[in-house]
Order: sequence, then C-alpha cells, then structure tokens
Amino acid sequence: DSGVTQTPKHLITATGQRVTLRCSPRSGDLSVYWYQQSLDQGLQFLIQYYNGEERAKGNILERFSAQQFPDLHSELNLSSLELGDSALYFCASSVAGRQTQYFGPGTRLLVL
Amino acid sequence: DQQVKQNSPSLSVQEGRISILNCDYTNSMFDYFLWYKKYPAEGPTFLISISSIKDKNEDGRFTVFLNKSAKHLSLHIVPSQPGDSAVYFCAAKGTSYGKLTFGQGTILTVHP
Repeated sequence: DSGVTQTPKHLITATGQRVTLRCSPRSGDLSVYWYQQSLDQGLQFLIQYYNGEERAKGNILERFSAQQFPDLHSELNLSSLELGDSALYFCASSVAGRQTQYFGPGTRLLVL
Repeated sequence: DQQVKQNSPSLSVQEGRISILNCDYTNSMFDYFLWYKKYPAEGPTFLISISSIKDKNEDGRFTVFLNKSAKHLSLHIVPSQPGDSAVYFCAAKGTSYGKLTFGQGTILTVHP
C-alpha cells in the first residue's frame, strides 16, 4: 500500500458525459501527478500540482482539467467523454524536493 | 517520439537465475531514473532509482546500472523469484519539475 488513495476504483459511463476522479496523496506529500495509461500509449503524464498550484502540464486534452484543494487532495475532471478516453487513470504523489513518485491503485474508466 | 524505450516486451527466466531488464533513453536532460513494478489491476510500485551522477545503485536483490554515455540503464534481479513476475517499467525524470517519462514496460515471468 503506497498510501495514495483513489476513488472510484471503476467507472462506467457514456460518451458525452462528465466524470470526476479523486485522489488523496500520501500524508505530507505536496505534489500530485496525474497519469493516463491506455492500451496503446503506455503511461502518459497529464498534469502536476504542487501545494494547490499547477506546476506542469503534459499531454492533457482541453476537455480535461484538474485541481488541488487546500487539504491537498486532487480531482481530475474529464468532460465530453469519448470512447478513446477509456483508460486507467493513476494519481501519484511525492514529497517536496524528492524524486520518487508513489502511485495510487488507479481508476479504470470505461466509456461506452 | 518515444524518449524512453524498453525494447523487450517480455522476458522469461527460471527461478533462482538472474533477470536483466533493459531500458534506453534519448533525452540527455534526464537526470534521474526509476524502476517500477506493476501487477494487473494495481498501480505501479516503486522499486529502485538512480541519479545520473551514479552508475550503480543496489537494494537487496535489485541493482540498477546506468551507462550515461550509452544512454542505457538496466535492472538486475538476483535471484529471481516467482513473485517477481509482473510488468516492469523504466521511468526517467528531467531537470524541470516532476514529470516522469515511462517506457512501454517489460513483462517478466519467473518460472518455478
């Protein structure tokens, strides 16, 4: 158990819908990262937050957005969902100044 | 443009023997490298890491070697155990912020 929690574990929804994925980092970790793992793309970095502020952006679609709240939990919002958004979404966290990221168990999203 | 490559999709090893997983990278700005292990339906679990100022790091049965001139790193597991059977991901971090760039993964199977 990495100490990073993600909810829900599974999510099934329809095209055009909007969903919110939640992540609670390890106690004391200020940085939160979101990654997407699809069958053909491997693990791709989406976005990083540090202590409530966006720090870095990767290959995140405009239909996707994220935020980190004062209690340091983070939410990833996916809207106007398409079939191709079906994937595993992982959250990771790290201590400020340390390199290692610890991953949560992921949310499996299926868009029908 | 795949900056981190794991050219072997799979590796099969006998229990007790050495497993060697390889990873190549193209971006010379990467300064920190990590190996993660992943079981199905779980998030990646951190195994071992190495800074670009070192050429070897050891932790129990796991040793990571870095050859900067060849832009190559490898993970050695000795002795291999059936419980090591999983997907292994190589990841690299550049000097800016915390984004990790992952390889496609290698499926390791350790036979009893």
